[in-house]
Amino acid sequence: AQTVTQSQPEMSVQEAETVTLSCTYDTSESDYYLFWYKQPPSRQMILVIRQEAYKQQNATENRFSVNFQKAAKSFSLKISDSQLGDAAMYFCASDSGGGADGLTFGKGTHLIIQP
Amino acid sequence: KAGVTQTPRYLIKTRGQQVTLSCSPISGHRSVSWYQQTPGQGLQFLFEYFSETQRNKGNFPGRFSGRQFSNSRSEMNVSTLELGDSALYLCASSFGTSRGGEQFFGPGTRLTVL
Repeated sequence: AQTVTQSQPEMSVQEAETVTLSCTYDTSESDYYLFWYKQPPSRQMILVIRQEAYKQQNATENRFSVNFQKAAKSFSLKISDSQLGDAAMYFCASDSGGGADGLTFGKGTHLIIQP
Repeated sequence: KAGVTQTPRYLIKTRGQQVTLSCSPISGHRSVSWYQQTPGQGLQFLFEYFSETQRNKGNFPGRFSGRQFSNSRSEMNVSTLELGDSALYLCASSFGTSRGGEQFFGPGTRLTVL
């Protein structure tokens, strides 16, 4: 079974600063995918970034980037130049069960942006 | 393109009743997955439908069932409701199967069981 662990229930950062959200995962599969989803107060989940495990290069999407450490099973999200609109719950998720388990989500990190 | 839509947005039911939730995927998407979100258990996978066939199912009792129609719209049914079924139910659609790809989520249906 897959597990995804987010050890930071809440994080706070000043606007324009950089923040890193942590995520570790466990899977016995060799072919898997990792995601970060954002859930703002509207509750609609939005994909932030996606990483394919077989790709060594860390994924980036504008101000969002990941630090993917495959051996350590770590997948952290870095948000640069934090903006007020980044305030949300962030969920780390894995897809490694051949589709059998859908996405496995972590418990989430509540990100607060201080103006 | 219109996004994923879910109806109704809010529901209040009593224990023992049954409920049907609906999800309309993005046009052209053939996969619909359902998730339950609660404060205690977090986000949990219910099932995925692809081309009208249940592709896989999470660890939920048989009271939770679903189906998908030829236009890819999906419905989820919960029978004999329990207090613990109170949750936000999210559906997500993708063009191919959900495996590894981006899933687009709807706004959710908030179910309250009294």
